Amino acid sequence: DAKTTQPNSMESNEEEPVHLPCNHSTISGTDYIHWYRQLPSQGPEYVIHGLTSNVNNRMASLAIAEDRKSSTLILHRATLRDAAVYYCILIQTGANNLFFGTGTRLTVIP
Amino acid sequence: GAGVSQSPSNKVTEKGKDVELRCDPISGHTALYWYRQSLGQGLEFLIYFQGNSAPDKSGLPSDRFSAERTGGSVSTLTIQRTQQEDSAVYLCASSLVDRVSYGYTFGSGTRLTVV
Repeated sequence: DAKTTQPNSMESNEEEPVHLPCNHSTISGTDYIHWYRQLPSQGPEYVIHGLTSNVNNRMASLAIAEDRKSSTLILHRATLRDAAVYYCILIQTGANNLFFGTGTRLTVIP
Repeated sequence: GAGVSQSPSNKVTEKGKDVELRCDPISGHTALYWYRQSLGQGLEFLIYFQGNSAPDKSGLPSDRFSAERTGGSVSTLTIQRTQQEDSAVYLCASSLVDRVSYGYTFGSGTRLTVV
C-alpha cells in the first residue's frame, strides 16, 4: 500500500492560514488523495480530496504537486475549532483498506 | 439517519467477557468498514463489507473477533473473551460504492475498556 508521511504536529495562530504538508512519494496513478480530520472524541471527518488538480471547497483547499508526490491542505483562516488531527490518505478504487497514519496534530493558538 | 450511528458510545467490560458493538450506517451506503484506534495511534483496519459480497476480514487481529452485517445495513462487531489489549475506540464508517469520489462517513466510535 502506498503510504503517506506527515509532520507529527504543527501550530498556527488563530485567523492565520495553515499549510499542512503530506508526502506520498510512492503514489500510483490511480490513487486519490483524501484528507480527513479528527476532532477530540469524534470519528474522522472528511475534509477534501483530489486526484491531479487543485481543489477548493468550503472547508479547505488542496494543492497537489505536479508530480503528485506531495500535497498540501490549506486552511485559509484557522479557528479554534480547526484544532484536530489531520490525516492525509491515499485511496484506490477497489481498495478496501484505508491506511491512516498518525496524522498531524494541529494546535491553534488564540 | 443523517450520520453513522454507533452504540454504545462507551463500554466497560471485564476481561474474558464477550462484547457486541453496533453500527448503523447511512441509508443507501453499501460499503461499511470497522476500524479500531488505540490511544494516540492511527486507525487500524478490521473488516469491510460491500453489498452482498463476502466481507474482507483481512484486518481482524484474531479469531476472537467477528462481524456480521444483516440485510446490507446494520453491522455488529463481536469480540469474544475480551483481553486488555482489546481496549480501544472502535470506529465504523460507511460509504457509497464510489468511495474515492464521495469519501467516507465515520461514526463517533465506541470506546471499549477491558478491565
